[in-house]
Amino acid sequence: EAGVTQSPTHLIKTRGQQATLRCSPISGHTSVYWYQQALGLGLQFLLWYDEGEERNRGNFPPRFSGRQFPNYSSELNVNALELEDSALYLCASSLGEGYTEAFFGQGTRLTVV
Amino acid sequence: RKEVEQDPGPFNVPEGATVAFNCTYSNSASQSFFWYRQDCRKEPKLLMSVYSSGNEDGRFTAQLNRASQYISLLIRDSKLSDSATYLCVVTIGSNYKLTFGKGTLLTVNP
Repeated sequence: EAGVTQSPTHLIKTRGQQATLRCSPISGHTSVYWYQQALGLGLQFLLWYDEGEERNRGNFPPRFSGRQFPNYSSELNVNALELEDSALYLCASSLGEGYTEAFFGQGTRLTVV
Repeated sequence: RKEVEQDPGPFNVPEGATVAFNCTYSNSASQSFFWYRQDCRKEPKLLMSVYSSGNEDGRFTAQLNRASQYISLLIRDSKLSDSATYLCVVTIGSNYKLTFGKGTLLTVNP
């Protein structure tokens, strides 16, 4: 069975541009979580989607946004990129609300230059 | 105060050693508790859930003390392959987001 898949693996953007990151959850999982892991800062919660709706949002500015599609895949958009947005962006999926065991994808490493 | 705090580490231990990781959480409404493992430049993977009664999985033992808001992970007979960053994770209330500690790096030396 396929795990959580993320694309692209690596992404290089210049300051001010927009980045779009994609995530496909494990088949049957309806919840998708996004985390940012910047160097030395640990995993910071960004967004949680379940059944197509945004359920929770971390302490990030509005230029971080996303959505979940009817097939439960998800997209994270980062507008007006700043140098400090450079990080590993991890997506995780779970069976849905009430199921806390989450499985992570391998991440997208975003570099802003 | 951070929601989840862990030993800063890093820990360097010889093969065969016993090593313990500690974690505290600030929100008494925390409901679920986990230890994840993250290898260098890889994604985090669930190591084990932590229950109030304590639980053991081979060389790994996890314990939870709700009164002290404290979680621990004990690794016995350390192997080289145990080298990784260990992440303490909690969920808070009905909010199912996983809140991570910063992690503790373990290096097991031959």
